[in-house]
Amino acid sequence: GAGVSQSPRYKVAKRGQDVALRCDPISGHVSLFWYQQALGQGPEFLTYFQNEAQLDKSGLPSDRFFAERPEGSVSTLKIQRTQQEDSAVYLCASSPGSNEQFFGPGTRLTVL
Amino acid sequence: QKEVEQNSGPLSVPEGAIASLNCTYSDRGSQSFFWYRQYSGKSPELIMFIYSNGDKEDGRFTAQLNKASQYVSLLIRDSQPSDSATYLCAVNRRNGQNFVFGPGTRLSVLP
Repeated sequence: GAGVSQSPRYKVAKRGQDVALRCDPISGHVSLFWYQQALGQGPEFLTYFQNEAQLDKSGLPSDRFFAERPEGSVSTLKIQRTQQEDSAVYLCASSPGSNEQFFGPGTRLTVL
Repeated sequence: QKEVEQNSGPLSVPEGAIASLNCTYSDRGSQSFFWYRQYSGKSPELIMFIYSNGDKEDGRFTAQLNKASQYVSLLIRDSQPSDSATYLCAVNRRNGQNFVFGPGTRLSVLP
């Protein structure tokens, strides 16, 4: 079956613009995670959903970051008033409820 | 002290050798431990997970966990050039689904 998909794959934004990143998890996966990965670093946890409920958002770096999963499937990560330090790869992962996570290809965000 | 630590490498081994990748973690209550492989420009893919002390083998890969020492390792036998990648150690914090990744160790298998 299809894996986790993310769109867009690449996004260039001017500083101060808002961006929205989309994640389509594997069908039936109840858990969905967002991570931020800077160059040469491991993924940093941002937030976690179980179905439509956002159970942990402790990793969101500021109130400019917002995530939602209104119907328990597709999720959107929104970043308002982007800053240069937001430049990174944003990874989405889904899980059937076990500990195993399956990652999407990521969205590479570049803020100029 | 970072929650999950790994040597950044690069770790270079000759083809056919055993590659040994190490990871330490700080939260003694951590429940489960994962090794992911990430090729350059690609997303992480799960290699193995381990929950209990001891060894777990899957093909050429062996994960080792020592909770008393807060140490987890990955051994790759008969290393191949296609194993060249960054290996990420991840730990599931207690009581949740909040995963912490290490910075990764870059492995280079030389033909």
